[in-house]
Amino acid sequence: GDSVTQMEGPVTLSEEAFLTINCTYTATGYPSLFWYVQYPGEGLQLLLKATKADDKGSNKGFEATYRKETTSFHLEKGSVQVSDSAVYFCALNSGGSNYKLTFGKGTLLTVNP
Amino acid sequence: EPEVTQTPSHQVTQMGQEVILRCVPISNHLYFYWYRQILGQKVEFLVSFYNNEISEKSEIFDDQFSVERPDGSNFTLKIRSTKLEDSAMYFCASSGQFTGGYMNTEAFFGQGTRLTVV
Repeated sequence: GDSVTQMEGPVTLSEEAFLTINCTYTATGYPSLFWYVQYPGEGLQLLLKATKADDKGSNKGFEATYRKETTSFHLEKGSVQVSDSAVYFCALNSGGSNYKLTFGKGTLLTVNP
Repeated sequence: EPEVTQTPSHQVTQMGQEVILRCVPISNHLYFYWYRQILGQKVEFLVSFYNNEISEKSEIFDDQFSVERPDGSNFTLKIRSTKLEDSAMYFCASSGQFTGGYMNTEAFFGQGTRLTVV
């Protein structure tokens, strides 16, 4: 079945540091890939997505590239801010009949001033 | 911007009681979902609903759980006899919007209902 393996946290960085959160996946067919973010006390928000190989999703300075050859979708940001402190979830849907999402375990990011 | 709304935001219930968690998905979406997140763990798929019936359910979604879309707008999750291990954040989501002949499968999530079973 589908699965997502995500870098274990927590990750603690200083403001303006470079961020990478690794994500690899196993799926049948050609999944769509997503990063969701959960700010403290809030629900899940879509951060970015990519629907086919070599696509790059980007939003709010975050980027991730769909790498089919390495089955990866690593999240990066060049310069993090305190406001980026949140839990980040990598997820996929492999289509099928209902487009359900399979999530990774989540990575807690804390950015210190 | 359209959004998924869930009520209540918090629910405390005694073990063995029935609870109903409510959701209003985005109106022109076709697929509806419930997920749960036990504290500190990953978000897990419970059930998907399409065309007025369950399209897929996980192993977690046993006979204690049921879903309904009673009036074309609300989407509810019922837990018949709650157990301590049902304590979790429950997220409703919807997806599946046709835009220009293309199906957008991006899932939109509600803020969640935190269920505490005591």
